[in-house]
Amino acid sequence: NAGVTQTPKFRVLKTGQSMTLLCAQDMNHEYMYWYRQDPGMGLRLIHYSVGEGTTAKGEVPDGYNVSRLKKQNFLLGLESAAPSQTSVYFCASSYLRGAYNEQFFGPGTRLTVL
Amino acid sequence: GQQLNQSPQSMFIQEGEDVSMNCTSSSIFNTWLWYKQEPGEGPVLLIALYKAGELTSNGRLTAQFGITRKDSFLNISASIPSDVGIYFCAGRGGADGLTFGKGTHLIIQP
Repeated sequence: NAGVTQTPKFRVLKTGQSMTLLCAQDMNHEYMYWYRQDPGMGLRLIHYSVGEGTTAKGEVPDGYNVSRLKKQNFLLGLESAAPSQTSVYFCASSYLRGAYNEQFFGPGTRLTVL
Repeated sequence: GQQLNQSPQSMFIQEGEDVSMNCTSSSIFNTWLWYKQEPGEGPVLLIALYKAGELTSNGRLTAQFGITRKDSFLNISASIPSDVGIYFCAGRGGADGLTFGKGTHLIIQP
């Protein structure tokens, strides 16, 4: 099993450009998440999904959109990138809700917005 | 929103020393998780705690879920060079995502 994979690994954008980050998991997990990690800030939840076709906002959703058309994929979109979105983005997935919510993370996408 | 205070922010220790770090919250959590992150990698789950008072070990790592459900600690015994990294606590309350601490940077001097 590959676990959680993310593409691309690195990307540089100009302000105003758009892009989509792809997350894929092969563990048949119901839940998927997108986090951003900034220096000194830990990880902050952007959006998450509790199943195919559903999405919900996290702590810092502004400027991002997501889609979960297939159970194994969770896409994070930036419609008009801003320098404040320069960050490392991590995708995670977990099996089910309730008490057991062990999240497994991908390797991250490092995004720079100029 | 919920906030976690993780301390210390960084630790400089000698190889072989024991390490202790903790997280406290203003809110109650139902689950506490401890992750380790190495440069250029995503966080890797070390220990998961599900019950107040629970004490769980994973090799040289031991973590506890505080009785008040507002704190947790992680101990590493007899540190080795590969323990270097950033350790994050994470808690889950009623929401579906995790709230993360800001991390403890562990640096080991040979």
